[in-house]
Amino acid sequence: GAGVSQSPSNKVTEKGKDVELRCDPISGHTALYWYRQSLGQGLEFLIYFQGNSAPDKSGLPSDRFSAERTGGSVSTLTIQRTQQEDSAVYLCASSLAQRGWGVQETQYFGPGTRLLVL
Amino acid sequence: QQPVQSPQAVILREGEDAVINCSSSKALYSVHWYRQKHGEAPVFLMILLKGGEQKGHEKISASFNEKKQQSSLYLTASQLSYSGTYFCGPETCENTGNQFYFGTGTSLTVIP
Repeated sequence: GAGVSQSPSNKVTEKGKDVELRCDPISGHTALYWYRQSLGQGLEFLIYFQGNSAPDKSGLPSDRFSAERTGGSVSTLTIQRTQQEDSAVYLCASSLAQRGWGVQETQYFGPGTRLLVL
Repeated sequence: QQPVQSPQAVILREGEDAVINCSSSKALYSVHWYRQKHGEAPVFLMILLKGGEQKGHEKISASFNEKKQQSSLYLTASQLSYSGTYFCGPETCENTGNQFYFGTGTSLTVIP
């Protein structure tokens, strides 16, 4: 597609429920990133995919968070047993470059999913 | 560890200049700069590769000092459209491969 898309754009859920957030990267982009941005805060790295594999899972805040990417394209971020502190904007970004090769390409961001846990 | 930006916030009058600094505790391979307007996703401004280069975009330029593990963003003759939160995105060199983290952010407000 023309840009990174994310769905849903907004999600309100009750504490304890599971949620799935979806990211469609730019076609041809091999790298995909998930970030979280709490109200008034900076960007917090969650996880990075190169193709379908996730060499860097260090940012996931707890084992309630998981992510997968299939076909080297769409990625899903799943939060199980949501807590109120999970409320944030979840941003997805994609880029052309492979990390570890020394040149980091531009990351193009999606519009984000605004998650509110009541 | 999250790179530190300074200042945390700055208010400018239209036409004034500003400098935003980004410091990392780890060796840097490259630095990205992004601007995020309220309610919108971050937008790429520029990337600087190691080698001490300086780049420019409109009246916004940046420098990268890999030895000091620092980068600075220079905004000259600021315009109202420059308002937003600026994030640096240093790429650090780790044993497990290069890592990428965003800085703490600098809120810039340009007033008439």
